[in-house]
Amino acid sequence: GIQVEQSPPDLILQEGANSTLRCNFSDSVNNLQWFHQNPWGQLINLFYIPSGTKQNGRLSATTVATERYSLLYISSSQTTDSGVYFCAVDVDSGAGSYQLTFGKGTKLSVIP
Amino acid sequence: DVKVTQSSRYLVKRTGEKVFLECVQDMDHENMFWYRQDPGLGLRLIYFSYDVKMKEKGDIPEGYSVSREKKERFSLILESASTNQTSMYLCASSLKRVWVEQYFGPGTRLTVT
Repeated sequence: GIQVEQSPPDLILQEGANSTLRCNFSDSVNNLQWFHQNPWGQLINLFYIPSGTKQNGRLSATTVATERYSLLYISSSQTTDSGVYFCAVDVDSGAGSYQLTFGKGTKLSVIP
Repeated sequence: DVKVTQSSRYLVKRTGEKVFLECVQDMDHENMFWYRQDPGLGLRLIYFSYDVKMKEKGDIPEGYSVSREKKERFSLILESASTNQTSMYLCASSLKRVWVEQYFGPGTRLTVT
């Protein structure tokens, strides 16, 4: 099956710093989604981004589908950004399988 | 805002008990999903449903069943709970046309003793 690798696995930032999280995938994908899981376990969807670039406040994401990667940028990080960031992909099977494959996540800790 | 609620935040059950986990969404989403999340294994899909009374197995359906009698409600059933089903259970919902854009509930942390 498709492999989804996220890097780095762990990241510690000083408040106010910027960061880039990476998601590599081993096969063509139909769709890609970024999620944030806060320290209380709630998963929040950030971006639906099968290709191109999107921005939402201090967060932005870029997916280059032809090169099989996606990047999540966090600027001016805040302590509330702490948690685990997951990317999840849908394999380009053409079958409408409704199954996402999740990466193992990047654990971000923002310290004051 | 989409709201997905789960019946319990924490649950402790004994081995062999029948366990019901309930999930309700208020946005008229066609799709609903049940995942479990375990350290080192990430999120894994147990079952999903794309319409009332319709269900499909995910990656790890063994030991679980589901029920979707109404569009807004999706139930996960552990027929006979076992200790290896101790986990965080997450429910999600989405529109059919953008099914990957899933909205998650707060999760139920189930402990089976």
